[in-house]
Amino acid sequence: RKEVEQDPGPFNVPEGATVAFNCTYSNSASQSFFWYRQDCRKEPKLLMSVYSSGNEDGRFTAQLNRASQYISLLIRDSKLSDSATYLCVVNSGYALNFGKGTSLLVTP
Amino acid sequence: GAGVSQSPSNKVTEKGKDVELRCDPISGHTALYWYRQSLGQGLEFLIYFQGNSAPDKSGLPSDRFSAERTGGSVSTLTIQRTQQEDSAVYLCASSLDPGLAGGRQYFGPGTRLLVL
Repeated sequence: RKEVEQDPGPFNVPEGATVAFNCTYSNSASQSFFWYRQDCRKEPKLLMSVYSSGNEDGRFTAQLNRASQYISLLIRDSKLSDSATYLCVVNSGYALNFGKGTSLLVTP
Repeated sequence: GAGVSQSPSNKVTEKGKDVELRCDPISGHTALYWYRQSLGQGLEFLIYFQGNSAPDKSGLPSDRFSAERTGGSVSTLTIQRTQQEDSAVYLCASSLDPGLAGGRQYFGPGTRLLVL
């Protein structure tokens, strides 16, 4: 079983829609959680860290449920520029464990 | 400011040849990581350096792969006797101080390796 699992999508949504991505992880000792964004043929870039209390950055909200080992990302009022692959990332030491990513396409 | 740089950006080689990939981390970042991303796959951890030492080489797929880091800065990943399955994007990342929880990692643009 892969350590981090995500629905690969693709998610095709119209501009302005709200979209949610989910992710589960298998290592209960994991300590840090992140969402990274990867554009086509580009390197991953940190979108936001995820905290147990939940955190928000503009249109993006991340939630962590340690008991269920579940992480989510909510994007409100989606923009064309949000089209990318969203990577769920879990750290259980020094290396990052990446999910395969969820592909989002926002259409006009 | 300067980010993580990698060279070459693209490399095409013939099966059986050796290749060397270079990573220049952000100045002052003590931790350096190599990952591999094959087509349609997630990122796969290869090796981690803290300073010049590599406490964990368990991600290296075979003994054809090796890496070193000198002066606590530049790192090279060497693949000997390349195989077609080595074709992938090799990404390098660096962070200030990973600790146990891992610090934010900054990625370079990657080297796209194609083995013919």
